[in-house]
Amino acid sequence: GQNIDQPTEMTATEGAIVQINCTYQTSGFNGLFWYQQHAGEAPTFLSYNVLDGLEEKGRFSSFLSRSKGYSYLLLKELQMKDSASYLCAVNEDQAGTALIFGKGTTLSVSS
Amino acid sequence: EPEVTQTPSHQVTQMGQEVILRCVPISNHLYFYWYRQILGQKVEFLVSFYNNEISEKSEIFDDQFSVERPDGSNFTLKIRSTKLEDSAMYFCASSFRLAGVGNEQFFGPGTRLTVL
Repeated sequence: GQNIDQPTEMTATEGAIVQINCTYQTSGFNGLFWYQQHAGEAPTFLSYNVLDGLEEKGRFSSFLSRSKGYSYLLLKELQMKDSASYLCAVNEDQAGTALIFGKGTTLSVSS
Repeated sequence: EPEVTQTPSHQVTQMGQEVILRCVPISNHLYFYWYRQILGQKVEFLVSFYNNEISEKSEIFDDQFSVERPDGSNFTLKIRSTKLEDSAMYFCASSFRLAGVGNEQFFGPGTRLTVL
C-alpha cells in the first residue's frame, strides 16, 4: 500500500528555521516533490528530489534518503507569507504519472 | 510566466446533473492531469492524459468521469451524473515530461464544485 506521513501542524516565528519531515512507504519510488499550498489556492511546486542528498533553492532546501524512506523540507529566514500547508508527494513509477500526496503540514508563522 | 488556467472558478450544480470542468495547460507541456481535494482532505489523483489517451487513472475515476482534449489547447473533465460526494476542488495540472528535470507538475487555480 501507499503511506505518506507528515506532521499535521507546526508553528514557528519570523526569522527562524523550520524543518518539515515526511516519511513514505510506497510500492516504488521515482521522485519526491514538495509543494506549498495557501488556503483556498492551488499547490505550487517547491522542490524535487530523486537522488539522495540535499537540494537547495534560495530559502528552501529539501533532503532525501531513499534507504530510510525519508525527506525533509527546510525553510530558513521564515516570513509571515510562509504560513501555508506544505505537501509531500511521491511519484512511484518512472512510467507512472500519478503524484501520491500526504495530508500536508500546516505551518503557522508568527511575529 | 506561463500558467495553467481553469474555468469556471466555482460551479454549483444539482445532484444528477452533468458538469464539464475546463483547463488550458501550459502550451508546451505534454502530460495533463486532474486531481481533486475534498475540503480539509489531501489532494487525490484522478487521471493523467498523454498523446490523446488516458495514461493512468485512480479508483476514484470511475465510469461517471471522462476526459477529453477537444482541441490543441483545452483539456476537460466531465462528470456525467454528479453525486453529493463529488463536491470538491478540482485541480488541473500539466508537466513537460515524466521523469527528470521538467517533470514537475504545475497546478491550475482549481474549480470549486458544489453538488446540491
